Amino acid sequence: AQSVTQLGSHVSVSEGALVLLRCNYSSSVPPYLFWYVQYPNQGLQLLLKYTSAATLVKGINGFEAEFKKSETSFHLTKPSAHMSDAAEYFCAVSVVDSSASKIIFGSGTRLSIRP
Amino acid sequence: DVKVTQSSRYLVKRTGEKVFLECVQDMDHENMFWYRQDPGLGLRLIYFSYDVKMKEKGDIPEGYSVSREKKERFSLILESASTNQTSMYLCASRKGQGLTGELFFGEGSRLTVL
Repeated sequence: AQSVTQLGSHVSVSEGALVLLRCNYSSSVPPYLFWYVQYPNQGLQLLLKYTSAATLVKGINGFEAEFKKSETSFHLTKPSAHMSDAAEYFCAVSVVDSSASKIIFGSGTRLSIRP
Repeated sequence: DVKVTQSSRYLVKRTGEKVFLECVQDMDHENMFWYRQDPGLGLRLIYFSYDVKMKEKGDIPEGYSVSREKKERFSLILESASTNQTSMYLCASRKGQGLTGELFFGEGSRLTVL
């Protein structure tokens, strides 16, 4: 079954430092992968998605992710962290189930930014 | 902009009560989903629907049911609420049957069962 695993439930970086949030996928077919962000007391919103058009995907707010088939990874990065990036981040994969498709989420990584 | 609206942001119910969580989307999306969010567990899919009156079980359907009588509305029902159903509930919608479409989320309903 297709799934995603996020390494690290909590990541803390200094403002201006590199942000790296890790996600590995398990899939026997080419996966469709997503990163979502959840700010406090809000629902989730899409940061970016991989649909096989390009291995390096750019998203909103300066985030990007690289699909690496050899490593079964889709890690999220941002060169310079900002205080406003503090949030919870979820990696997800789109799968087919019965006669419809659904999205399965990882357990999430909470990102904290130190002044 | 797509809007997904959940009827209640915060609810407090007692054990054994019947609870209705309502969700409405305004972009004519075919698919609607109910997730439950708990710390350290991420989002877990409860039920989803790909068409009116159609429903599919997700990963944790026990203790829940759903109703989709109209395309824009998807309701989550807790027939007899229990304390282990205290959680954040998130509704989402998605266009089409492909694998590349994104989910659009509501702001969530935080349910406390006493």
